[in-house]
Amino acid sequence: AQKITQTQPGMFVQEKEAVTLDCTYDTSDPSYGLFWYKQPSSGEMIFLIYQGSYDQQNATEGRYSLNFQKARKSANLVISASQLGDSAMYFCAMREYGQNFVFGPGTRLSVLP
Amino acid sequence: GAGVSQSPSNKVTEKGKDVELRCDPISGHTALYWYRQSLGQGLEFLIYFQGNSAPDKSGLPSDRFSAERTGGSVSTLTIQRTQQEDSAVYLCASSLLAGGSGDTQYFGPGTRLTVL
Repeated sequence: AQKITQTQPGMFVQEKEAVTLDCTYDTSDPSYGLFWYKQPSSGEMIFLIYQGSYDQQNATEGRYSLNFQKARKSANLVISASQLGDSAMYFCAMREYGQNFVFGPGTRLSVLP
Repeated sequence: GAGVSQSPSNKVTEKGKDVELRCDPISGHTALYWYRQSLGQGLEFLIYFQGNSAPDKSGLPSDRFSAERTGGSVSTLTIQRTQQEDSAVYLCASSLLAGGSGDTQYFGPGTRLTVL
């Protein structure tokens, strides 16, 4: 069974608008972490944001925020005020305590001028 | 160094040759991971070194693939008798702890391997 699901293979957003990239996960472990990475065309994987399962508040890092809905097991990434440089692949990942990282298949975001 | 480094950045080899890919993790990071990424695809887990514990080799696709980590730092991924389907970008990552759910992976720039 897929532990991380990203249902949007591709997304388009107009520059300066906000966009939400979906991620749902599957775990029965109460202790886990959720991560988002960005991979531009240059190929490097850039860490964006982290949310712990026990965190009471949604994580935010600049224009990135994580909409964490624990009961629904979703950890959507919200990018506000999109920029052309945000065009990239975005990967959601999870790590259960004591286990390895699991990555989703990714969503390709294209920001339109 | 400040981040994870990998060498070479690009490697072109002939089918049947052996290749070695190197990864230098962030200083002090106890965990090290290797992934493979084919063009336009997601990450394929290969191997995970977790501190002093035995590595998790469950992702290695065949016995042509092996990896070692010397002194808890530098790691080398070796592919023997390369095949054209081995062509991909090989990514290395490291994290501070081994096993913590809040432990963040940081990736290197990758090695692009092309097997002719």
